[in-house]
Formats: sequence, structure tokens, C-alpha cells
Amino acid sequence: GIQVEQSPPDLILQEGANSTLRCNFSDSVNNLQWFHQNPWGQLINLFYIPSGTKQNGRLSATTVATERYSLLYISSSQTTDSGVYFCAVEGGSARQLTFGSGTQLTVLP
Amino acid sequence: GAGVSQTPSNKVTEKGKYVELRCDPISGHTALYWYRQSLGQGPEFLIYFQGTGAADDSGLPNDRFFAVRPEGSVSTLKIQRTERGDSAVYLCASSLIGGQADTQYFGPGTRLTVL
Repeated sequence: GIQVEQSPPDLILQEGANSTLRCNFSDSVNNLQWFHQNPWGQLINLFYIPSGTKQNGRLSATTVATERYSLLYISSSQTTDSGVYFCAVEGGSARQLTFGSGTQLTVLP
Repeated sequence: GAGVSQTPSNKVTEKGKYVELRCDPISGHTALYWYRQSLGQGPEFLIYFQGTGAADDSGLPNDRFFAVRPEGSVSTLKIQRTERGDSAVYLCASSLIGGQADTQYFGPGTRLTVL
């Protein structure tokens, strides 16, 4: 099946800093989603982005499907951005999402 | 409108017991998915329903796990003869079908602990 790798596994930032999270995937995808899992375990949708670029406030994402990677940008980070960020993809005829192992982000005040 | 809801939020059971976990998807969503998340890992796929039928159950770990969606809305995940290794957070998601509608929305999960 499709493989998903996320980097870095852990990231510690000072409040106000910018960051880039990366997601590599091993095959062409029909669906790519970025999620933020908050400290209570809820998976919050950030972007549906199988290709192209999207922005939502301080967050933006870019997927280069031909090169099989996606980037999530967080600008002017806040302590509430802390948590685990997951990239998940749907490839081929399968409809389920395959998740990466996540990036644990800690934003310090 | 309401998001995906799951009950119970927590379930503690003893090894060998039977448990049922419930998922109520977003109204009108035809696709429903179950995932399982162990500590420190990303969610892993279990089963996918399109309407009432299980379109893909390739992620179910063994025949102790079974899921139903009899009326194409609410789904129940059933685990027989629970084992300690079944302890995890069980997540449900739902979506429409087609393009951006494929976006999956997740419920808050059921934390299952098998003693």
C-alpha cells in the first residue's frame, strides 16, 4: 500500500516563529488531508489538498503531486497551535486514508 | 450542523468481554469509516461503508471485529472476546463522495481500555 512519511517527528518553537512541516508519499493520490490533533484527541481538518496551494489565516499548504510531497506552513505560531499534525492520503482505488506518523509541535510562550 | 458523534467516549472492559462502539455520522454523509489509533501513532484504517454495505473491510485485524450499518446512517463496531491489545482509541469518520466532498470528518473517538 501507499507509504506516508512526515518530518520532522518533533518540533519545538518559540511563540511567533514560523515553521514548515513536510509529508512525502510513495504513490499518486486522490485525496490528501492535513489534520491537527488537539490535546483532547480530536482530529481537526485543516486542508483538503491533493494538489495546489491553499491558505487559511496563518496556515497554508502546498501539494506538489508530481513530486509526491506536501508542505504545511504555520506562520506566527501560537501556543494553541501545539499538538500533533497529521498528513493523510488516499491513493489508487482505496477510499481509506493512510496516515503518516505525525509531527508533534510544541509552541512555547 | 452537528459533527460526527461517538458513544461512549470511554469504555473500560475486562479481557474476554464483548463491546459495542457507536458512531453517528454527519447527516447526509453516505460514506462512513472506522479507524483505530494506538498511543503515539497515526490512525489506522479498519473498515469503510458506502451506504449500508461494507465496501472495504481489509483493515479489520481478525474475525473478532465486526461492524454494521443497517440503515445507512449509524454504525456499530463490535469486538468479541476482547484482548488487552485491543486497547486504543477507536475513531469514526464520515464523508460525501467525489472531489472535495471526499473530505473525511472525524468524531471525538471512543477510548477503549481492556483490563
